Amino acid sequence: DAKTTQPTSMDCAEGRAANLPCNHSTISGNEYVYWYRQIHSQGPQYIIHGLKNNETNEMASLIITEDRKSSTLILPHATLRDTAVYYCIGPYLKAGGTSYGKLTFGQGTILTVHP
Amino acid sequence: DAGITQSPRHKVTETGTPVTLRCHQTENHRYMYWYRQDPGHGLRLIHYSYGVKDTDKGEVSDGYSVSRSKTEDFLLTLESATSSQTSVYFCATKKTGAPANTGELFFGEGSRLTVL
Repeated sequence: DAKTTQPTSMDCAEGRAANLPCNHSTISGNEYVYWYRQIHSQGPQYIIHGLKNNETNEMASLIITEDRKSSTLILPHATLRDTAVYYCIGPYLKAGGTSYGKLTFGQGTILTVHP
Repeated sequence: DAGITQSPRHKVTETGTPVTLRCHQTENHRYMYWYRQDPGHGLRLIHYSYGVKDTDKGEVSDGYSVSRSKTEDFLLTLESATSSQTSVYFCATKKTGAPANTGELFFGEGSRLTVL
């Protein structure tokens, strides 16, 4: 199964962009990258996912390197409410597969946004 | 928001007693999941359901059973609770009609179980 590596923790100033890296060097060509976050003790919240191209939605942007071995989640204007644990998900769900949405969460990155 | 309600939200019980956690959803989502979250382990999948009466094991299913007799309810049962099952349990759902391989799940608020 593909593995992910994320920094244990990161800091960011409020209003600045938060860039959270993830290494997934064993990812296969048809496997997605998913990002979730977990605020305090709440349930995880889906943020974004991608396969090859960069993606953007109302919450964040996802930049995937050309070789697909790493990606960066970007929160363009971090707020205090973005303080959370951010998970880059593996193993990944194969495009066209039937993995039934089974996700495996690692330890994630603790992002702290400072005033 | 998938209208997911977990009950009870907090429970303290003794070793050897049976415990049932309930997950109720109001959005008619087909897929439902039970995860547990422990320090140092992240979230781990216990069981999941891909339809009424259709369930399967996840990565840490030993000591747990599930039932899904109707779309809106997914029950997780610990037949004889042990201290190692002290954890925070999260229920999740996925939209009906979503591809089987999509990973966009909606999570409940969690149920904290302490087994003494």
